[in-house]
Amino acid sequence: GAVVSQHPSWVICKSGTSVKIECRSLDFQATTMFWYRQFPKQSLMLMATSNEGSKATYEQGVEKDKFLINHASLTLSTLTVTSAHPEDSSFYICSASTSGRAYEQYFGPGTRLTVT
Amino acid sequence: GQQLNQSPQSMFIQEGEDVSMNCTSSSIFNTWLWYKQDPGEGPVLLIALYKAGELTSNGRLTAQFGITRKDSFLNISASIPSDVGIYFCAGLGSTLGRLYFGRGTQLTVWP
Repeated sequence: GAVVSQHPSWVICKSGTSVKIECRSLDFQATTMFWYRQFPKQSLMLMATSNEGSKATYEQGVEKDKFLINHASLTLSTLTVTSAHPEDSSFYICSASTSGRAYEQYFGPGTRLTVT
Repeated sequence: GQQLNQSPQSMFIQEGEDVSMNCTSSSIFNTWLWYKQDPGEGPVLLIALYKAGELTSNGRLTAQFGITRKDSFLNISASIPSDVGIYFCAGLGSTLGRLYFGRGTQLTVWP
């Protein structure tokens, strides 16, 4: 149980284009989803927290107009990187948490984004 | 933000040896979590600790929640090659569901 999927697992896009990453909780309802980014050999940095049906809360320094997060249902959240630049290349990981067990976050397998 | 200091940064050990890594924080956490991440994958939860002083085992893994609530350690006994990966500690802060991660310990196990 508690499986989280991400799609795509990797994507290469050209500078200036937008890319959408999906995060799904497959066998549970996730009231809260989190988006992280991870640079090589670095830790996970929280980008934003999203609750179903409401606007995401972004961490300081994360541009909300650049990283658009939508959490339209209890099983799906999307992260759209708009007007991507090479410095946006990173490993993006989502996690999902069930109501009442917020201390247990289940992570997706990540999406490798490369912007050329 | 809250800082977690995780050490060591990397370890190179021989199969069969025991491993110990730890995390310290300047802030108190209510929950400590230990994750393992394989290359190109998301972190997988290994052990969760909910009470100060708690000692919890999961197979060959043992973790403890420090009495001061500002530290935790993870031990792996009789390491095997599949233990290779990056181990992260994480603390659950006062904001519901907000995790703070350590920088990770890269473990390499030689057969």
